[in-house]
Amino acid sequence: AQTVTQSQPEMSVQEAETVTLSCTYDTSESDYYLFWYKQPPSRQMILVIRQEAYKQQNATENRFSVNFQKAAKSFSLKISDSQLGDAAMYFCAYRNSGAGSYQLTFGKGTKLSVIP
Amino acid sequence: DTGVSQDPRHKITKRGQNVTFRCDPISEHNRLYWYRQTLGQGPEFLTYFQNEAQLEKSRLLSDRFSAERPKGSFSTLEIQRTEQGDSAMYLCASSLSFGVFNEKLFFGSGTQLSVL
Repeated sequence: AQTVTQSQPEMSVQEAETVTLSCTYDTSESDYYLFWYKQPPSRQMILVIRQEAYKQQNATENRFSVNFQKAAKSFSLKISDSQLGDAAMYFCAYRNSGAGSYQLTFGKGTKLSVIP
Repeated sequence: DTGVSQDPRHKITKRGQNVTFRCDPISEHNRLYWYRQTLGQGPEFLTYFQNEAQLEKSRLLSDRFSAERPKGSFSTLEIQRTEQGDSAMYLCASSLSFGVFNEKLFFGSGTQLSVL
């Protein structure tokens, strides 16, 4: 079974600064997908960014980028120019790529605080 | 597009009672998921529907849990003979997709269940 580990229960960052959230995972599959989700106090999970394991290029979405290290099974999220609205729980998630693979496996999350 | 709607937002019940939650996905979304999130944890997959067919169930979904999606529209999740361990937030998500990676899940705000 796949597992996802987020070793930082809480992080804080000064507004406009950069922060990196860590995620490691364990799988025996060679092809899979990785995601970062944001859960603000409203509780609604929102997709931040996603990465295909067979793509070496790191995904980028505006101020959000990832550092995907397949051999190390590491998938960190970098948030640049942090904004107050970035304060939330961030979850790393894994999904197999095969047909019939429907479920996401989530880590325990990292609570990000943004200091004005 | 009004988003994924879940009802009720909060539910308090006594141990041994039955509860039912409802999820209204985004109109025309063919896929619907249920996840459970306990305090300090990431969401855990419960079950998945493609249209009205329930295609995958987690081992977490004991015999006391049943989910339906009649006519491939809204879905209900029923818990019979609730136990204190059932206390959690129950999240619903939907998507319109026929692939895996390009699938974008839209989550509801969840139903918070407290079993006394």
